[in-house]
Amino acid sequence: DILMTQSPSSLSPSVGDRVTITCRASETISSYLNWYQQKPGKAPKLLIYAASSLQSGVPSRFSGSGSGTDFTLTISGLQPEDFATYYCQQSFSSPWTFGQGTKVQIK
Amino acid sequence: QVQLQESGPGLVKPSETLSLTCSVSGASIRGYFYWAWIRQSPGKGLEWIGSISHDGSTFHNPSLKSRLTISLDTSNNQFSLGLTSVTAADTAVYFCARDRLTNGWYNLDLWGQGTLVTVSS
Repeated sequence: DILMTQSPSSLSPSVGDRVTITCRASETISSYLNWYQQKPGKAPKLLIYAASSLQSGVPSRFSGSGSGTDFTLTISGLQPEDFATYYCQQSFSSPWTFGQGTKVQIK
Repeated sequence: QVQLQESGPGLVKPSETLSLTCSVSGASIRGYFYWAWIRQSPGKGLEWIGSISHDGSTFHNPSLKSRLTISLDTSNNQFSLGLTSVTAADTAVYFCARDRLTNGWYNLDLWGQGTLVTVSS
């Protein structure tokens, strides 16, 4: 199975900050990388697919980049509703696997 | 709009079979999508269980494959999960989701709200 490792595990930015979350795959996955946002008690929500494509309806302050093994999710100008846990997920090879999550919490 | 809703028992006894159904509204499960099950437990985070295509082809997580059944019920626009011989380690929130193929990339674009299943006697 492909191991997905996110960093950091948590961070405490302020509203308006630029936030960067990284995800590393244990082997190359081309651009088969998705990012999800999950709030407590809710299902994950797709933000970014194919490493850099913004899902319909997702604010443009969210962006993704990377290919191969190293990927980044950036939130440009953190909003109060962005405090949540973020997960990366690879869809290069079965079984799909997720990162352990990065919790973005209020400072 | 397309919505997914999980249903099934919230409590299952050890060694018994966990059975869940996902009802899909707003789209036909015979459309060109895969339909997936994912679970989330505190100890293991998010775990993809498996997916089934519109034609019934299935892809299973090898860690669960021997205990797992995923099936389609096209007459009721539902798909189902069966997991046999459950233990406490199978306690989790179970989600169903649409596994969409977009220009060659798979992504889980729509999710049900999730249902908690506890394995306990």
